[in-house]
Amino acid sequence: EPEVTQTPSHQVTQMGQEVILRCVPISNHLYFYWYRQILGQKVEFLVSFYNNEISEKSEIFDDQFSVERPDGSNFTLKIRSTKLEDSAMYFCASTYAPGAFFGQGTRLTVV
Amino acid sequence: DQQVKQNSPSLSVQEGRISILNCDYTNSMFDYFLWYKKYPAEGPTFLISISSIKDKNEDGRFTVFLNKSAKHLSLHIVPSQPGDSAVYFCAAITGTASKLTFGTGTRLQVTL
Repeated sequence: EPEVTQTPSHQVTQMGQEVILRCVPISNHLYFYWYRQILGQKVEFLVSFYNNEISEKSEIFDDQFSVERPDGSNFTLKIRSTKLEDSAMYFCASTYAPGAFFGQGTRLTVV
Repeated sequence: DQQVKQNSPSLSVQEGRISILNCDYTNSMFDYFLWYKKYPAEGPTFLISISSIKDKNEDGRFTVFLNKSAKHLSLHIVPSQPGDSAVYFCAAITGTASKLTFGTGTRLQVTL
């Protein structure tokens, strides 16, 4: 069964460093998303991406964040200068129909 | 602004009995509702969905009911199994590929 894959599963980084979280969406999907879940809180939308551009983003997705689909298969989330409060599980998702299929997540720990 | 609410943070049910998880929403523009199951340190797994034009959708042990006038939906799991123990999130969207707006989740514990 096709699935969304994310790498790495866990990333530890120092405050102020740049991180890139990687995702390979399901191949025939057209819409891609990043969500995050801070420990103990709900899953929050960050950004959606369609036709090689951002279609919607939340207030969380500020100038420190960017997304890219560099080669037609990978979908990346970059955080330029990480803050302690960026520590969370980051989930990539993709879809072609209502709803979305999620990856296993990357746990980002900023120290 | 909590557009999707799950007022019960936890629920405990005996194996074999029915589990009923509830969800309320405020945005009348939502046109599709979904339930996801989530284990710790894993991504949400899609369970079942319902379009706003329907009031019931069934898939095996899972049934989702939608009451549009009350802006309420519920997920019924019957019979409940120990493997159903997880956090369940209700989510809603306003268009085919729009973002998911999640509730805060209900932790279901199915006991032996």
